[in-house]
Amino acid sequence: GIQVEQSPPDLILQEGANSTLRCNFSDSVNNLQWFHQNPWGQLINLFYIPSGTKQNGRLSATTVATERYSLLYISSSQTTDSGVYFCAVEGETSGSRLTFGEGTQLTVNP
Amino acid sequence: ETGVTQTPRHLVMGMTNKKSLKCEQHLGHNAMYWYKQSAKKPLELMFVYSLEERVENNSVPSRFSPECPNSSHLFLHLHTLQPEDSALYLCASSRGGGTGYSGANVLTFGAGSRLTVL
Repeated sequence: GIQVEQSPPDLILQEGANSTLRCNFSDSVNNLQWFHQNPWGQLINLFYIPSGTKQNGRLSATTVATERYSLLYISSSQTTDSGVYFCAVEGETSGSRLTFGEGTQLTVNP
Repeated sequence: ETGVTQTPRHLVMGMTNKKSLKCEQHLGHNAMYWYKQSAKKPLELMFVYSLEERVENNSVPSRFSPECPNSSHLFLHLHTLQPEDSALYLCASSRGGGTGYSGANVLTFGAGSRLTVL
């Protein structure tokens, strides 16, 4: 099946800093989503982005499908951004379900 | 509030108990999912229901038994679980239906049910 690798596994920032999270995948994709899981376990969909660039406030994401990676940018980070960020992909040829990466644990300190 | 509600939020059970997790979605979606999230592991897909038919069962032990009585409700019945089944169980729904569910199947998750098996 499709492989998903996220980096870095852990990231610690001071409030106000910017960061970039990366998701590499091993096959062409129909579907790529970024999620944020807060410390209480709730997963929130941030972006549906199989290709191109999207922005939502301080967050933006870019997927370069031909090179099989996606980036999530967080600008002016806040303590409420802390949690785990997951990338999930659905491969064109590897079956039709989302495969999740292992996530990036982000801690934003005040 | 995401539109997907899971109850109970926390559950402690013994290995001989029978309990059920419930999921309800108010989004008009056609597909519903159970995921398991164990510590230090990626989310694992357990079951998928599309238009009330089970379309995927990822080699889940029979002590987990799903039920989807209609497109808005999904249950996970638990019976004689093991301590290693302790995890966060997440329900999700998406607009897409059918066995393909490719394309714009954006998942909306519930808040999860944290299960502890003693």
